[in-house]
Amino acid sequence: NAGVTQTPKFQVLKTGQSMTLQCAQDMNHEYMSWYRQDPGMGLRLIHYSVGAGITDQGEVPNGYNVSRSTTEDFPLRLLSAAPSQTSVYFCASREQGNTEAFFGQGTRLTVV
Amino acid sequence: GQSLEQPSEVTAVEGAIVQINCTYQTSGFYGLSWYQQHDGGAPTFLSYNALDGLEETGRFSSFLSRSDSYGYLLLQELQMKDSASYFCAVPGGYQKVTFGIGTKLQVIP
Repeated sequence: NAGVTQTPKFQVLKTGQSMTLQCAQDMNHEYMSWYRQDPGMGLRLIHYSVGAGITDQGEVPNGYNVSRSTTEDFPLRLLSAAPSQTSVYFCASREQGNTEAFFGQGTRLTVV
Repeated sequence: GQSLEQPSEVTAVEGAIVQINCTYQTSGFYGLSWYQQHDGGAPTFLSYNALDGLEETGRFSSFLSRSDSYGYLLLQELQMKDSASYFCAVPGGYQKVTFGIGTKLQVIP
């Protein structure tokens, strides 16, 4: 059972480039979300989804897009990378009615 | 909105007991969760309190007082491997979980 899998683990982008961070879970969880983690800021919610075809914005959505075409996958798209998006990104999933969230191992993104 | 406050750093001796506090302000309260994160790793779930009182899971316990908007995580018989960051979090419905900034615990010999 792989849990939540994120790819890539590390990425360096140039300002203005676009890319997609991948997230997949094999636990059939309804809820999935994306967080970014910056020093001294904790985990901040970017976007979340409560099921296939349903997404919504979190606390810091600007510059990011998401889609949820299947229960398993929840990719995060950076439209035009900026140095302020340098961060560690975590994807998490949770079963409806359960409080325990399962996190992927993170993607460390640097924008130069 | 929702906000949480917890100390940024705590140092404790191996074998001792340490308490990490968390105070919160929320527009709607569903409970208080705790997560552990080792350097370079992913957060992992430790506990959840929906009701007032103490929940015990092995060496870790978590406490909640809804009337005081306050909770804490208690770690007993500290081990070096407990050195990590600990986050309190409040779910705000669906996946709108708000996390504190985290408390970095250093366990020293």
